[in-house]
Amino acid sequence: GEDVEQSLFLSVREGDSSVINCTYTDSSSTYLYWYKQEPGAGLQLLTYIFSNMDMKQDQRLTVLLNKKDKHLSLRIADTQTGDSAIYFCAERPPGTYKYIFGTGTRLKVLA
Amino acid sequence: NAGVTQTPKFRVLKTGQSMTLLCAQDMNHEYMYWYRQDPGMGLRLIHYSVGEGTTAKGEVPDGYNVSRLKKQNFLLGLESAAPSQTSVYFCASRTGTSGGAYNEQFFGPGTRLTVL
Repeated sequence: GEDVEQSLFLSVREGDSSVINCTYTDSSSTYLYWYKQEPGAGLQLLTYIFSNMDMKQDQRLTVLLNKKDKHLSLRIADTQTGDSAIYFCAERPPGTYKYIFGTGTRLKVLA
Repeated sequence: NAGVTQTPKFRVLKTGQSMTLLCAQDMNHEYMYWYRQDPGMGLRLIHYSVGEGTTAKGEVPDGYNVSRLKKQNFLLGLESAAPSQTSVYFCASRTGTSGGAYNEQFFGPGTRLTVL
């Protein structure tokens, strides 16, 4: 079945790197996404990766994709208190209008 | 350009009452979605629409109905609210383009609904 899994919580110290992991089940998904949800707000697209890529870097963000293991990760370098939020990974299987979201990982950054 | 807006922001209902949540987008998007967010369960798709006048069931459609009479609006109705429908509801929209586009979903700020 369709199931995207993430750990629920992650706590890091300010200035350290954060790594948020996700496993997905549909190996044919074309795009995989990371969304950020700040308290009391909706989700905002943080970054995405196309399925034919292994890595994508965007400033402090690095996305790694391991298609063989169906594993996606988001690394945030030099994590700041403003990065405290819930991070969702999502996939969009081909031939569908639907997005499948993970459970979300709550990142807490300690000063 | 307001993006995606949701009305109301908060609501408390008693069991059995009905209500309609309104989602509006001003980006001329074809596709619109309703999700519910519950702790530890992420976002689950309730219903979605791929164009004006069309609707389709998502993962958890029971107890909800939707309508898309105008392209910019997507309404979510609860005919007889139950405590299990206590949740935060998010609306999202995206363009209808495909063929290589990453198709970002734009989310509204959410409606927090409590059913007593």
